[in-house]
Amino acid sequence: QKEVEQNSGPLSVPEGAIASLNCTYSDRGSQSFFWYRQYSGKSPELIMSIYSNGDKEDGRFTAQLNKASQYVSLLIRDSQPSDSATYLCAVNTPSAYYGGSQGNLIFGKGTKLSVKP
Amino acid sequence: DAGVIQSPRHEVTEMGQEVTLRCKPISGHNSLFWYRQTMMRGLELLIYFNNNVPIDDSGMPEDRFSAKMPNASFSTLKIQPSEPRDSAVYFCASSSRDRANYGYTFGSGTRLTVV
Repeated sequence: QKEVEQNSGPLSVPEGAIASLNCTYSDRGSQSFFWYRQYSGKSPELIMSIYSNGDKEDGRFTAQLNKASQYVSLLIRDSQPSDSATYLCAVNTPSAYYGGSQGNLIFGKGTKLSVKP
Repeated sequence: DAGVIQSPRHEVTEMGQEVTLRCKPISGHNSLFWYRQTMMRGLELLIYFNNNVPIDDSGMPEDRFSAKMPNASFSTLKIQPSEPRDSAVYFCASSSRDRANYGYTFGSGTRLTVV
């Protein structure tokens, strides 16, 4: 059973602090990794993707990937109250149907982040 | 681009009734996914289509659930008969051929309540 694990939270940080969200996955063959943000009552929205070990920065967001440890993280710098949402980690697992190059996204259950003014 | 369009936004039905959820993917996307989201289980993949062909329906909970994609711009998810435990938010998502790199785009979802 391919799994993606996240701490459900809630994670509470003060405005302006760094929020750190973590995710582990079980399938070593996973090739691409995504972070989605979901506001209450809304649909998931893609905010970051990462494919190679290391860091990827986009504005206040940094995604980190360590394939050896099967670990993905998302850092949010200068957190704002508008960042309060549930963050979903998603992992693309290869599909034999496509010869391993494509697959499906398996989602974690999400971490609820609350940024306090 | 209007994005992935789902209808209805909300559906309240009585146990035993048939429910049909509808989805229009983004034009040009060749893959379509149906997910169900609950507090307990999170986002679960029910079924996905590639080029209108169902590829993997192993996530469909039971025979009461069925999905079709008669053409590239329309898909339905049907529950017959519906049960209270089917209450959830149902999302449709679509993706281009290179979804391993670009992920999925989700519709606004259908909130289903079965009483």
